[in-house]
Amino acid sequence: NAGVMQNPRHLVRRRGQEARLRCSPVKGHSHVYWYRQLPEEGLKFMVYLQKENIIDESGMPKERFSAEFPKEGPSILRIQQVVRGDSAAYFCASSLFSGRLYNEQFFGPGTRLTVL
Amino acid sequence: KQEVTQIPAALSVPEGENLVLNCSFTDSAIYNLQWFRQDPGKGLTSLLLIQSSQREQTSGRLNASLDKSSGRSTLYIAASQPGDSATYLCAVPSNNAGNMLTFGGGTRLMVKP
Repeated sequence: NAGVMQNPRHLVRRRGQEARLRCSPVKGHSHVYWYRQLPEEGLKFMVYLQKENIIDESGMPKERFSAEFPKEGPSILRIQQVVRGDSAAYFCASSLFSGRLYNEQFFGPGTRLTVL
Repeated sequence: KQEVTQIPAALSVPEGENLVLNCSFTDSAIYNLQWFRQDPGKGLTSLLLIQSSQREQTSGRLNASLDKSSGRSTLYIAASQPGDSATYLCAVPSNNAGNMLTFGGGTRLMVKP
């Protein structure tokens, strides 16, 4: 079984460009989470999605960031008009359930975004 | 708001030592706690998930304990090896729908041969 897949693994963008990060969850998992790890900082929750729905985006910056998890295909985290402060590692995780049991989250290898 | 703290932030030990990593959390109303390992420039590998009804969980040379009432968890690594060198993270899920994880800052472990 393939684990959580993320691509690209490394992404370089110039200020003002758009970044699109993709995440394919573990097969059969319908709960996807995005986390961000800024340099020398801990991992912080950004957004939680189920198929076709954003459930909780309380950790997302209010502007320029958006996320989707369509019925078919991977989850996408989009960052418009990137700035240097967006440089970070972005991790995706998936889980089978979101209840109290069987909610263990499995993480992908991350996408490392560098903004020049 | 849940806060997770890990002490020490960094630890360097000679090979073969037994060691303990500490994790504390402010809201004891959790129903599980996960320990992860992160190698430099890599993703997170889940090491142990301990349910609130459990006091301990073991996997090989790793043993995690959980004391909800005091808001603490420890990760015990027996007979450490250079390959154990990594950053160790603990995380607890929120009580909101979705169980997003709150992470500690991590303990950066170096095991010297």
